[in-house]
Amino acid sequence: GNSVTQMEGPVTLSEEAFLTINCTYTATGYPSLFWYVQYPGEGLQLLLKATKADDKGSNKGFEATYRKETTSFHLEKGSVQVSDSAVYFCALSGGGTSYGKLTFGQGTILTVHP
Amino acid sequence: EPEVTQTPSHQVTQMGQEVILRCVPISNHLYFYWYRQILGQKVEFLVSFYNNEISEKSEIFDDQFSVERPDGSNFTLKIRSTKLEDSAMYFCASSDQGQETQYFGPGTRLLVL
Repeated sequence: GNSVTQMEGPVTLSEEAFLTINCTYTATGYPSLFWYVQYPGEGLQLLLKATKADDKGSNKGFEATYRKETTSFHLEKGSVQVSDSAVYFCALSGGGTSYGKLTFGQGTILTVHP
Repeated sequence: EPEVTQTPSHQVTQMGQEVILRCVPISNHLYFYWYRQILGQKVEFLVSFYNNEISEKSEIFDDQFSVERPDGSNFTLKIRSTKLEDSAMYFCASSDQGQETQYFGPGTRLLVL
C-alpha cells in the first residue's frame, strides 16, 4: 500500500536559517503530493501541493519539487521565521487503488528561535 | 474564505458511552472524510464518503464507527461504544473532487476515561 516517510524531528533552527524537511513516498501509479502544516492549537492547513512529476509547489516562501525518480517531495525554505514554528506533514493521495484518501507521514516538529 | 467547522472542540466521555462528532463541510464540496491523530502519532485515515455512501474505509473503522450526512450541511462520525484507545484528535475534511485538495476542520479532541 501507499506510505510516506518523513525525516525524524524535532528540527530546531535560528531565524533566517535554511530549512529542509525530507519526505519520501511509496505508491503505485502517479499520486498527488502535499505538504500540510499544523500550527499550535489549530487544524491542518494545506501549505503546497504538486500533482505530477517535476511539478514544483510553492507557498509563503516554502517550496517542494515532485521527484518521481527518487520518490521524494522535500520541503525547503530559504529563510525561516519564528512564525514558521509548527508541525509539517507530508502526504499523498491517489496512486494505485487508493482514491482521495490521504496517507500522511509522521510529521516533523519545527521550532524557530529568534 | 469558506472553511470546515467541527463541534465540539473538546469532548470528554466515559468508556462505553456513545459519542457523535459533528462537522460542517464547505458547502459546495461533495467528498467528505474523517481522520484521527492519536497524540504523538501520524494522522490516520478513517473513512471517505461520497454520494451518501462510504467509498473507502480503513481497518480502524470497525463496526463501532458509523458516518452519516443527516441533512444538506452536516457530516457526523458516531462511535457507538467508546474505548480508551479512541482518545485522539478527530479531523473532518472535505474536497470538491476526490483527488483534489482536502480542506480540514480544526478538529475535535476526544478523551475517553
